Amino acid sequence: QVQLQESGPGLVKPSQTLSLTCTVSGGSISSAGYYWSWIRQFPGKGLEWIGYISSSGTTYYNPSLKSLITISVDTSENQFSLSVSSVTAADTAVYYCARAARLAGLSYFDYWGQGTLVTVSS
Amino acid sequence: SYVLTQPPSVSVAPGQTAWITCGASNIGGYSVHWYQQKADQAPVLVIYFDTDRPSGIPERFSGSNSGNTATLTISRVEVGDEADYYCQVWDSSSDHAVFGGGTKLTVL
Repeated sequence: QVQLQESGPGLVKPSQTLSLTCTVSGGSISSAGYYWSWIRQFPGKGLEWIGYISSSGTTYYNPSLKSLITISVDTSENQFSLSVSSVTAADTAVYYCARAARLAGLSYFDYWGQGTLVTVSS
Repeated sequence: SYVLTQPPSVSVAPGQTAWITCGASNIGGYSVHWYQQKADQAPVLVIYFDTDRPSGIPERFSGSNSGNTATLTISRVEVGDEADYYCQVWDSSSDHAVFGGGTKLTVL
């Protein structure tokens, strides 16, 4: 059973960079056919896909966020990470990491971490 | 950007059937996935590729998709089904995931 666990600061100051790491256990991050995703949920409950990465480093980003985000992968540690630059209060959300199955260019999310709340405030 | 529209809330009595819709232009041409999110928990995949159920998801959960509406159907609703439900598609034109706004299912 694949498990994912987010880690990182729960409080970030405006204009700074938000950095989170997701550790995958119970399976290899190098498993074929999967991408490793970041998704956030705003306080009003809406879900927003941020982006994802393959074990070889191929990335896909939400076009609305592309200029602000970087996702990277460390296969030796079975981890992947998210950076969001120049954060504002609007980036306050619960951040989830998730595994995405990618089939015929389409994706769904079959395993999710428990989520971590990140608050942007001075 | 492709927009998925869900009703904010649906109410149903235990034992009855709940239908949760996800509307968009020609959504029948997309593959729709559904997630259940109970209070203070992460979302869980309940339906993928319109009609498929992951292992461990009861047969009471089923999906359909045609025209401008995809539907998640929950038969013989139980109190434990009370949750928020989200639909999701992959927008191939810009290669990104899109979620609906979510529907809160209340079991009366």
